[in-house]
Amino acid sequence: DSGVTQTPKHLITATGQRVTLRCSPRSGDLSVYWYQQSLDQGLQFLIQYYNGEERAKGNILERFSAQQFPDLHSELNLSSLELGDSALYFCASSVDDTGSDTQYFGPGTRLTVL
Amino acid sequence: GQNIDQPTEMTATEGAIVQINCTYQTSGFNGLFWYQQHAGEAPTFLSYNVLDGLEEKGRFSSFLSRSKGYSYLLLKELQMKDSASYLCAVRSFGRGYQKVTFGTGTKLQVIP
Repeated sequence: DSGVTQTPKHLITATGQRVTLRCSPRSGDLSVYWYQQSLDQGLQFLIQYYNGEERAKGNILERFSAQQFPDLHSELNLSSLELGDSALYFCASSVDDTGSDTQYFGPGTRLTVL
Repeated sequence: GQNIDQPTEMTATEGAIVQINCTYQTSGFNGLFWYQQHAGEAPTFLSYNVLDGLEEKGRFSSFLSRSKGYSYLLLKELQMKDSASYLCAVRSFGRGYQKVTFGTGTKLQVIP
């Protein structure tokens, strides 16, 4: 158990819908990272927040948005869902934003878009 | 853009040493990560190199040469539980943001 929690574990929805994935970092960690992993594209970095501010951006679509709240939990919002958005979405947390400290991954949310 | 290359698959024998290579081409390089991921599980952070040289952590070591755009992950005294995918990821600066780009991963199979 990494100490990072993600909800829900599984999510099944239809194309065109909007969903919110939630992540709670380990106690004391200020950075939260979001990743997408699909079978054909491997692990993709989406976005990083540090203490409430956006710090790094990867291949995140405009239909996707994220935020980190004052209590440091984070949400990833996915809208106008397409079949290709079906994937495992991981959240990770770390103490700071330098990249030199360990990132701890949550168990992931499996999203299925039908 | 960024380009990260790793072998797709490798096989090694229990107790042996294996080296997994990663080459990259990027601007604004700011560090390289290695992760381990067992099938169906979340990735586990293994190492982070930002300066040239070797970083050792128990049975695992990671090496970086920034001038050559090259890194390797060295696994010693292989155990069956080391069968997993190993992901190389590069952190870089660009357009005011940092980003992290993953390679497609190397699937390592450890055989008896």
